Amino acid sequence: EEQLVQSGGGLVQPGESLKLSCAASGFSLSGSDIHWVRQASGKGLEWIGRIKTKDENYVTAYISSVLGRFTLSRDDSKNTAFLKMDSLRTEDTAVYYCTRRPHPMSFDVWGQGTVVAVSS
Amino acid sequence: DIVMTQSPLSLPVTPGEPASISCRSSQSLLHGNGAYYLDWYVQKPGQPPQLVIHLTSNRASGVPDRFSGSRSGTDFTLKISRVEADDVGVYYCMQILQTPVTFGQGTRLEIK
Repeated sequence: EEQLVQSGGGLVQPGESLKLSCAASGFSLSGSDIHWVRQASGKGLEWIGRIKTKDENYVTAYISSVLGRFTLSRDDSKNTAFLKMDSLRTEDTAVYYCTRRPHPMSFDVWGQGTVVAVSS
Repeated sequence: DIVMTQSPLSLPVTPGEPASISCRSSQSLLHGNGAYYLDWYVQKPGQPPQLVIHLTSNRASGVPDRFSGSRSGTDFTLKISRVEADDVGVYYCMQILQTPVTFGQGTRLEIK
């Protein structure tokens, strides 16, 4: 079974950092763009960024509200993608999902989600 | 950024009856390859979203043929021919033509 298994969430104070992991199981991560989506409690889905494959030079894109604070990376040899979050704000509190996009398909496999809570 | 606007936001449906959700994009979602880059996802309580329809009208693997997607201009529609109890959840349209990828607000489908 193809799965994305997430880890690394938790409770932090404003200004602190967290690094989320997204490990692929049952398939090779190297063939897919990896996107990250978050969802604040009771709210809708918000795309936050994506990292392309090696063939596309691992190009990244982010929403403006996280640009300069969040960094996407991947280690295809470990079949894992990462979301490093710095200078966290209370408004970053959400469930964070990773998902794959194997062209030309869309987001067909999702991680289980991990909770990030930013509070003093 | 491309704005996605869904309607209705709440949709109570009697089992066996049809349902329709609309999604309008603020600009064309036509890609250079001729496809319209609009997907539909459903999120069931306590679960991550799951793909229902990709590229406007293609059902994802395992999705029953009660579900269909269509387009007219910048208006996209998800139809369920006969709603079943398991269809409850929040349905989102999403454009993936360009970054930032953007979602509609979501439509909560519930059973009457």
